Amino acid sequence: EVQLVESGGGLVQPGGSLRLSCAASGFTFSSYWMSWVRQAPGKGLEWVANIKQDGSEKYYVDSVKGRFTISRDNAKNSLYLQMNSLRAEDTAVYYCARSSGWYDYWGQGTLVTVSS
Amino acid sequence: DIQMTQSPSSLSASVGDRVTITCRASQGISNSLAWYQQKPGKAPKLLLYAASRLESGVPSRFSGSGSGTDYTLTISSLQPEDFATYYCQQYYSTQYTFGQGTKLEIK
Repeated sequence: EVQLVESGGGLVQPGGSLRLSCAASGFTFSSYWMSWVRQAPGKGLEWVANIKQDGSEKYYVDSVKGRFTISRDNAKNSLYLQMNSLRAEDTAVYYCARSSGWYDYWGQGTLVTVSS
Repeated sequence: DIQMTQSPSSLSASVGDRVTITCRASQGISNSLAWYQQKPGKAPKLLLYAASRLESGVPSRFSGSGSGTDYTLTISSLQPEDFATYYCQQYYSTQYTFGQGTKLEIK
């Protein structure tokens, strides 16, 4: 059974940092692109970042470029999102998702709240 | 960036109705389009990909069509469990984008 389990969310002050993790199981993690997608409270879905199977290609939504870094450790079947210089508008539930272009498996999400 | 515009943003319908949701891309996306259903407090669920391919386990009352910039999701006969929010997503470019969502409510 495919499982994606996010962790690392919480309350952080504006300008602070947070690192999200996503533990994957039930499939060959190193064979798939992976993504982070977020959803602000009461709002729609927003794609955040993609990473290729070997980590050699990474893409970001413009609003997080230079602040967020997506990475992966295929030996640990894990996906990460390092978030720096956090802003109030980054407040959202962050989902990791398995990508074939489309997203067939999603985690349960982890809530990040940026507030003083 | 490719912008995705869904319409309508909300829709009221009854059980048994046929409903259609439209998604328009700001440029051609060559059928690189997926549809998702999301219920409150839950992660999205994949319904269709490649514009018209039904994900395994999804009921056949869901269908997708379109080409170029214009795509549609059709639910042939609404069931009580279909009342939710629906999103389209393009994966044609390296920067993926979602539509703003369509909330389907019970009339």
